[in-house]
Amino acid sequence: NAGVTQTPKFQVLKTGQSMTLQCAQDMNHEYMSWYRQDPGMGLRLIHYSVGAGITDQGEVPNGYNVSRSTTEDFPLRLLSAAPSQTSVYFCASSPSGTDPTPYEQYFGPGTRLTVT
Amino acid sequence: AQSVAQPEDQVNVAEGNPLTVKCTYSVSGNPYLFWYVQYPNRGLQFLLKYITGDNLVKGSYGFEAEFNKSQTSFHLKKPSALVSDSALYFCAAPPLPARQLTFGSGTQLTVLP
Repeated sequence: NAGVTQTPKFQVLKTGQSMTLQCAQDMNHEYMSWYRQDPGMGLRLIHYSVGAGITDQGEVPNGYNVSRSTTEDFPLRLLSAAPSQTSVYFCASSPSGTDPTPYEQYFGPGTRLTVT
Repeated sequence: AQSVAQPEDQVNVAEGNPLTVKCTYSVSGNPYLFWYVQYPNRGLQFLLKYITGDNLVKGSYGFEAEFNKSQTSFHLKKPSALVSDSALYFCAAPPLPARQLTFGSGTQLTVLP
């Protein structure tokens, strides 16, 4: 298994440009999430999905859109990039199940985004 | 809701010495607590989790964590630190009923040779 993959690894955008960060997993996980990591702030949840066709907002959703048309893919779209979106973005997935206790998440390698 | 805090931004320890990375939590029910590690330019890796049961949880790479309900803490420990343990460590908890995680701000562990 490749696990969770993210592309691109690095990206530089100009203010106002749009782009899509790709995330895919081959573990048949129902749950997928996008986080951003900023120095001294840990990871903050942007959007998440509990299954194909279902998405919801996290802590910092403004300026980002997501969709989940398949179990495998969960792309993150920046609508109009701003310097405040300069960050490292991580995608994560975790299995579903009948157990109500939470499962550990599997993280991708990250995308380092710079907006100038 | 659950939240976690990591009171130390940086921890330095000599190789071979025991290490502790601190985490405190605030919960409104049974706590579910996780530790993750991030090596430079890598994604986060799961180390261990506390769901219920024994207060001492054993995880990957020789790490363990002690759950202390009276002190609302979940400190990460290792009896003998290695230089290769140098990394960024995150405590996390899910804001139930969601499965997604709320992370602490992270603690940079440096093990000195």
